[in-house]
Amino acid sequence: DQQVKQNSPSLSVQEGRISILNCDYTNSMFDYFLWYKKYPAEGPTFLISISSIKDKNEDGRFTVFLNKSAKHLSLHIVPSQPGDSAVYFCAASSLGGSYIPTFGRGTSLIVHP
Amino acid sequence: EPEVTQTPSHQVTQMGQEVILRCVPISNHLYFYWYRQILGQKVEFLVSFYNNEISEKSEIFDDQFSVERPDGSNFTLKIRSTKLEDSAMYFCASSEGTPGQYFGPGTRLTVT
Repeated sequence: DQQVKQNSPSLSVQEGRISILNCDYTNSMFDYFLWYKKYPAEGPTFLISISSIKDKNEDGRFTVFLNKSAKHLSLHIVPSQPGDSAVYFCAASSLGGSYIPTFGRGTSLIVHP
Repeated sequence: EPEVTQTPSHQVTQMGQEVILRCVPISNHLYFYWYRQILGQKVEFLVSFYNNEISEKSEIFDDQFSVERPDGSNFTLKIRSTKLEDSAMYFCASSEGTPGQYFGPGTRLTVT
């Protein structure tokens, strides 16, 4: 039962271009969404989040867009840098679920110099 | 910057043995969590802990698992009798209670 889906296991992007990572969810009770970044041999690191009352949240090079009607969110990284190469996990949570995140399987982003 | 720490980084054990994974959450955080990630799969929630008791647990967290906060700083996960399928990365996390948790670097558990 995949409540949070990241359908692209990997993404390759040229340095300086935009990286777009996508995520779909099925549970309409989710009201808080997060993106985590994970380097090898490290734990997930919180990157950016968005509440369901918003449709966009921006933090420097990172922007998350939420389309509630489509149950879809995306993470945009502009411009992409080689240091952004990592696995990106989408996660969704709800107040009713004590904000315990349900994770997607992750997308491995490779940014080529 | 405060961080969650975990020890050991890698634990190898034989099937049927007990293991204890240790975590030191961020000091002013009140909520503590354990997650696991089997190789190639997603990060899965195991258990959350607040006010010295379990607040939520998943169906993965069966009677073989237990958690404890033995003192003011450590948070442990015990697996009573390990199975091969317990081999995974185990992540500890903590939070102040707001959405968004801080994860430790993980302990790789290998059960042979």
